[in-house]
This record gives sequence, structure tokens and C-alpha cells, in this order.
Amino acid sequence: GEDVEQSLFLSVREGDSSVINCTYTDSSSTYLYWYKQEPGAGLQLLTYIFSNMDMKQDQRLTVLLNKKDKHLSLRIADTQTGDSAIYFCADLTGGGNKLTFGTGTQLKVEL
Amino acid sequence: EADIYQTPRYLVIGTGKKITLECSQTMGHDKMYWYQQDPGMELHLIHYSYGVNSTEKGDLSSESTVSRIRTEHFPLTLESARPSHTSQYLCASSPTTPYYGYTFGSGTRLTVV
Repeated sequence: GEDVEQSLFLSVREGDSSVINCTYTDSSSTYLYWYKQEPGAGLQLLTYIFSNMDMKQDQRLTVLLNKKDKHLSLRIADTQTGDSAIYFCADLTGGGNKLTFGTGTQLKVEL
Repeated sequence: EADIYQTPRYLVIGTGKKITLECSQTMGHDKMYWYQQDPGMELHLIHYSYGVNSTEKGDLSSESTVSRIRTEHFPLTLESARPSHTSQYLCASSPTTPYYGYTFGSGTRLTVV
């Protein structure tokens, strides 16, 4: 089945850029997503990218997709303490039927 | 405003008790899902439903059961709670083809003592 992998932890200083990486195995993935989970809360959709795009920018967020390497990244510019959270990538697989989630990356923003 | 609601947010209960976690959505979505999330962060799909009277087990085996009698309602039941059931439970919903992802509820933090 589909496998989506992320590194577990990332620590950055406030004001720096954060880059969270994700790799997936299903070459037929059509949509890929980034979710944010704050402590004690559910998952909030941050952004998504269609597989025929290489890049998508939305304010401080930049998503890069390398289909050849099956690699997805989320860049957060000017990282703030409010960005401290768990970030999940996910892709739409199973013939467009279901999302497969990554293992999550804990982002810690230090002053 | 269309949304997805989970109740209760927090629940502490004794071993052997029967519990039901509620999940309701006003999104008009056909599909609904239950995830279990351990402190290690990873999400595990335990149940899903494609519509009324449709329920399926997910990737992770669970002693819980679900029902889908109404489109908007997808409760999860544990007949006899055990400490190993202590976890965060997340409910989500989506249209038939989830191009724009799933919408998640705020979760229920269950502690069995």
C-alpha cells in the first residue's frame, strides 16, 4: 500500500524559514495536502497542490512538489511561535478514494 | 456555518464502562472517518463509512464499533473501556471524492483509568 514518510522533529528560531519534507510512494497520487495540528485540536487543512503543479504559494506558505522523486515540501517563511504544531502531509490515493497521511512532523519554534 | 462536531472534548472514565463518542457534521458529506491518534502523533484509521448503513474497518484493528443510521451522524462505541483505549479520537468527513481533503473535528481525548 501507499507509504508517506516525514521526519519527526524540526526546531527553528523565530523569524527563520522552516522547511518540512515529505516523501510518498504512489506515483498515481493526484492531490497532495498539508495539514496543521495544534495541541489538543483536530487537523486543519493548510493548503493543497494538484499533481500537475510544481509549486504553490499562499502568503507565508510555499509548497514544492517534485513528482519524479515523489517529494513534497512545505516552506514557512518568517516562522512565528504560533506556527509551533504538528504538520501532516497527505496524498489522495486508492483511485481518488482516500487520503493517506504521513507520520507527522513536530515543529518547534524557539525565541 | 457548516462544520463537524465532536463531543465530549475530554472524557475520563473507569475500566469496564460503556462509552459513545459523538461525531456530527453539517457539511453534507457522504464519507466519514474515525482516526485514533496516540501520543506518538501518528494517525491510525480505525473505521470509515461511505454513506448511510455503510461501515468498514480501517487499517488499525479496534475493539470499537460504529454505526451510520443518518448521513450527518457517525458515533463510535466502546462496550467495555480499558486503559489501552486511552487515546485521542478524531472524526473527519469528506465528499465522495475528497479532492479538497478531509474536514476534521476537534477530537475527543479519552482517558480510561
